[in-house]
Amino acid sequence: EPEVTQTPSHQVTQMGQEVILRCVPISNHLYFYWYRQILGQKVEFLVSFYNNEISEKSEIFDDQFSVERPDGSNFTLKIRSTKLEDSAMYFCASRVDRGGNQPQHFGDGTRLSIL
Amino acid sequence: GESVGLHLPTLSVQEGDNSIINCAYSNSASDYFIWYKQESGKGPQFIIDIRSNMDKRQGQRVTVLLNKTVKHLSLQIAATQPGDSAVYFCAENRRDSSYKLIFGSGTRLLVRP
Repeated sequence: EPEVTQTPSHQVTQMGQEVILRCVPISNHLYFYWYRQILGQKVEFLVSFYNNEISEKSEIFDDQFSVERPDGSNFTLKIRSTKLEDSAMYFCASRVDRGGNQPQHFGDGTRLSIL
Repeated sequence: GESVGLHLPTLSVQEGDNSIINCAYSNSASDYFIWYKQESGKGPQFIIDIRSNMDKRQGQRVTVLLNKTVKHLSLQIAATQPGDSAVYFCAENRRDSSYKLIFGSGTRLLVRP
């Protein structure tokens, strides 16, 4: 069964450094998402991406964050200057299309630890 | 405000018994709901979904019930097994530009042998 894959599984970064989290969505999916989950809390929406542009972003997704689909398979989340509070699990998800009700499928996440 | 929430943070059941996990939502405009299972160190795994024009949907050992009158969802797991131990989230799929998911706070299901 096709799945969303994320790399790395764990990223440790010094505060202030840039970090790029990578995702390969399911190949025929058209909508892409990033979510984060702070330890012990619920999953929070960050951003959605469709047709090579951001569809919606949350208030968490400030100017330090950016997303990109550099080629036909990868979907990346960049945090330009990391803060301690960026420490969390980051999940990528994809969805087959816009119309109708379709579930999002999630990767196993990247655990980001900011020191 | 708009929210999706869960009634119980932890549910402990005996192996073989049925489990019922509840969820409340507050946005009457929501039209699609999903239950996810999250095991330790993994991402949310799709279990079952339901559209707002349905009251009940059954899968393999799982059933989701939707009561739109009181804005309530439940997930029923029949003959609960040790492998069902996980955190379960309900999520609301908003009918907006991007169909983002709004997650509840989760219920941890513990299955006693």
